[in-house]
Amino acid sequence: GEDVEQSLFLSVREGDSSVINCTYTDSSSTYLYWYKQEPGAGLQLLTYIFSNMDMKQDQRLTVLLNKKDKHLSLRIADTQTGDSAIYFCAESGTGRRALTFGSGTRLQVQP
Amino acid sequence: GAGVSQSPSNKVTEKGKDVELRCDPISGHTALYWYRQSLGQGLEFLIYFQGNSAPDKSGLPSDRFSAERTGGSVSTLTIQRTQQEDSAVYLCASSPRDRSTDTQYFGPGTRLTVL
Repeated sequence: GEDVEQSLFLSVREGDSSVINCTYTDSSSTYLYWYKQEPGAGLQLLTYIFSNMDMKQDQRLTVLLNKKDKHLSLRIADTQTGDSAIYFCAESGTGRRALTFGSGTRLQVQP
Repeated sequence: GAGVSQSPSNKVTEKGKDVELRCDPISGHTALYWYRQSLGQGLEFLIYFQGNSAPDKSGLPSDRFSAERTGGSVSTLTIQRTQQEDSAVYLCASSPRDRSTDTQYFGPGTRLTVL
């Protein structure tokens, strides 16, 4: 079945860049997503990328996709304390509507 | 406009009791999903509704779990004879159309604790 893996924790200093990595196994994945979850809140979609793209940029966020290695990353430029949250990688495949999520990466931003 | 809402926000129950969790999707959204988030885990898909089609129940972990969606809008997830391993945050999401590109908008979740 489909599997998505992420590292559990990342700590950065305010103003630095953060890079959160994700690997997935399903070669039929069509869309890959990054969601943010703040304490006590639901999931907020940050961005998504179609599998035929290798990069997508949206303000401070840059998504890189290496389809050959099934590797996805999220780079947050000029990380702020408000970026502290859990970031989930997720993917959907052809014919599958439900998302398969990773376990989430907790980003801690030190002032 | 209003987002996805869920109730209750917290539910504490005793082992063996039945519970009902409610989800109000965004108005006009035809697709509705239930997921479960256990402590320190990612989200696990439970069930998916799309319009009047038969729901995709492939993620339900046991026959103690069931869900309904009335009138294509509100959905209720029912867990019968709850067990301690059912303790988790239950998240509902909706999306406007049955296309894989459509964003799934998540509610704040219901935290279920089974004692």
